[in-house]
Amino acid sequence: AQSVTQPDIHITVSEGASLELRCNYSYGATPYLFWYVQSPGQGLQLLLKYFSGDTLVQGIKGFEAEFKRSQSSFNLRKPSVHWSDAAEYFCAVGERKTSYDKVIFGPGTSLSVIP
Amino acid sequence: NAGVTQTPKFRVLKTGQSMTLLCAQDMNHEYMYWYRQDPGMGLRLIHYSVGEGTTAKGEVPDGYNVSRLKKQNFLLGLESAAPSQTSVYFCASSYHTGKSSYEQYFGPGTRLTVT
Repeated sequence: AQSVTQPDIHITVSEGASLELRCNYSYGATPYLFWYVQSPGQGLQLLLKYFSGDTLVQGIKGFEAEFKRSQSSFNLRKPSVHWSDAAEYFCAVGERKTSYDKVIFGPGTSLSVIP
Repeated sequence: NAGVTQTPKFRVLKTGQSMTLLCAQDMNHEYMYWYRQDPGMGLRLIHYSVGEGTTAKGEVPDGYNVSRLKKQNFLLGLESAAPSQTSVYFCASSYHTGKSSYEQYFGPGTRLTVT
């Protein structure tokens, strides 16, 4: 069965520091990969996605992620964190099913930003 | 466009009571989903629909029922609420065409407490 792990439950960084959130997946074929962000009291918003091609993908809000097949990873990065980036981040993998296209979410990483 | 909306935003039920959560989307999406979000567990799929008049079970369907009488609406029902159903419920929708079906648009959530 497909799965997504996010090793870090909670991360705290200082404003202006760089950020990397880790994501590992288990999937037999070439995966479709996503990062979503959830601000407090809000629904999830898609940050970026990977389907194929260039393994470094750019997203909204200055985020990027790199797909590394050899490591089964899709880590999210941002060079300089802003206080407004404090949120919950979810990595997800898309799994093709016969009836619908399933998205499997990781448990999430909570990001705190110190001013 | 309002996107995906959910009503109500908050609700407190007593064990054994019933209720219906309403999800509406104005993006003409074919697919709609109901998830529950619990701490440390990410999002788990309760039920989904691939079109008007069709519904199917997800990972955790027990204790819930759904209906999709109109394309834009997806209702989630709890017939006899239990404390284990205390959670935050998210509705999502997506296109059905190719890879776009994996890009889900989320509502703001309904926080349900069952006492």
